[in-house]
Amino acid sequence: DAGVIQSPRHEVTEMGQEVTLRCKPISGHDYLFWYRQTMMRGLELLIYFNNNVPIDDSGMPEDRFSAKMPNASFSTLKIQPSEPRDSAVYFCASSFRRGRLDTQYFGPGTRLTVL
Amino acid sequence: AQTVTQSQPEMSVQEAETVTLSCTYDTSENNYYLFWYKQPPSRQMILVIRQEAYKQQNATENRFSVNFQKAAKSFSLKISDSQLGDTAMYFCAFMKPENTGNQFYFGTGTSLTVIP
Repeated sequence: DAGVIQSPRHEVTEMGQEVTLRCKPISGHDYLFWYRQTMMRGLELLIYFNNNVPIDDSGMPEDRFSAKMPNASFSTLKIQPSEPRDSAVYFCASSFRRGRLDTQYFGPGTRLTVL
Repeated sequence: AQTVTQSQPEMSVQEAETVTLSCTYDTSENNYYLFWYKQPPSRQMILVIRQEAYKQQNATENRFSVNFQKAAKSFSLKISDSQLGDTAMYFCAFMKPENTGNQFYFGTGTSLTVIP
């Protein structure tokens, strides 16, 4: 398996523009997570899905952020409009609930810079 | 709510020496899991080691071992015979199994530099 795939790897945009981050989880995994990593706050869970259904989006910072999972092999995280404080590395992770020893597998991340 | 604290933002160690990274957590749960993740400059998160809270024996993975003190809520990572490739950010994570999914909580990370 190719692992969790994220695109783009780097994104530079200007304030006010819409940004869409993409994620392809590992085939067969039924959980998908979106994280944001900054130096100040570390790794924060934004939202996670189970079987394509959003379960907990309490970590989404504000209404400018939205996430969708239209099918089991694809998810997007959208920021509209983007702001400089959104600059961070965004990770997607997936897991398969197998007993109680499942572990999340992380993608390589997308480094977002908002000017 | 669970919290994970890594009080060492940066650390350095001489190649071949041993270094210990600290992690403490706060929880009222009895059943949970603890992890150490490594994030090299490539930014991909790599699982280093995992500990089940119900196990008293400390987990080990080659040069990596943990000192799990459940009563003290402490979960430190020891890296023996440090190598240049160990240079990375290290994140301590707490996981609480739930029926609706597993919730992960991460510390803010420790940046480790191995000096040749």
